[in-house]
Amino acid sequence: QKEVEQDPGPLSVPEGAIVSLNCTYSNSAFQYFMWYRQYSRKGPELLMYTYSSGNKEDGRFTAQVDKSSKYISLFIRDSQPSDSATYLCAMSGSGGGADGLTFGKGTHLIIQP
Amino acid sequence: EAQVTQNPRYLITVTGKKLTVTCSQNMNHEYMSWYRQDPGLGLRQIYYSMNVEVTDKGDVPEGYKVSRKEKRNFPLILESPSPNQTSLYFCASSLSPGTGYSNQPQHFGDGTRLSIL
Repeated sequence: QKEVEQDPGPLSVPEGAIVSLNCTYSNSAFQYFMWYRQYSRKGPELLMYTYSSGNKEDGRFTAQVDKSSKYISLFIRDSQPSDSATYLCAMSGSGGGADGLTFGKGTHLIIQP
Repeated sequence: EAQVTQNPRYLITVTGKKLTVTCSQNMNHEYMSWYRQDPGLGLRQIYYSMNVEVTDKGDVPEGYKVSRKEKRNFPLILESPSPNQTSLYFCASSLSPGTGYSNQPQHFGDGTRLSIL
């Protein structure tokens, strides 16, 4: 089972707000969790990469993983118009196998100036 | 600059006319993969390659072929394209599967938008 659920949005917030993006999943074998940002007409680019449960912070971005709830989040502080993009969560298992990345369908985020 | 390069970026063609989308990476990555992205369906894996001459099917391989004769190149071939293959295609690469390829973040190209009439 490889299902990942992600609200497609659009999510529209004013500049400077804190943004919360979320994904839920059903496969308990997932251990690696990623967030990608995709601008229009561009490929996804890796934003955050975490292993197992816990938090990871990088500048204005914080990724949280709660494996017990099968729930991951990406928080963006002090949001900027340049953060407007589609955000994709992705996850994978323990590696060495043929199961690649499973992506959510993406949340379209709009930051209003 | 580390990058994954796809060509062409845009292509409009007709049903049945064979086409190839090229993908090249300059990061010496062993793992490469092709995805298609469709509205409401997200990114779905078509084929992947764990090394030269090693390829395997992803979730939606029907109607596609790939080859991996060199480490840096991973072309996607549509032998007889059909309208249901109209989509946005992405090539991606990542580090060695020897360390557990699925735990290596993938680097994506900028996409190829294919329209099959």
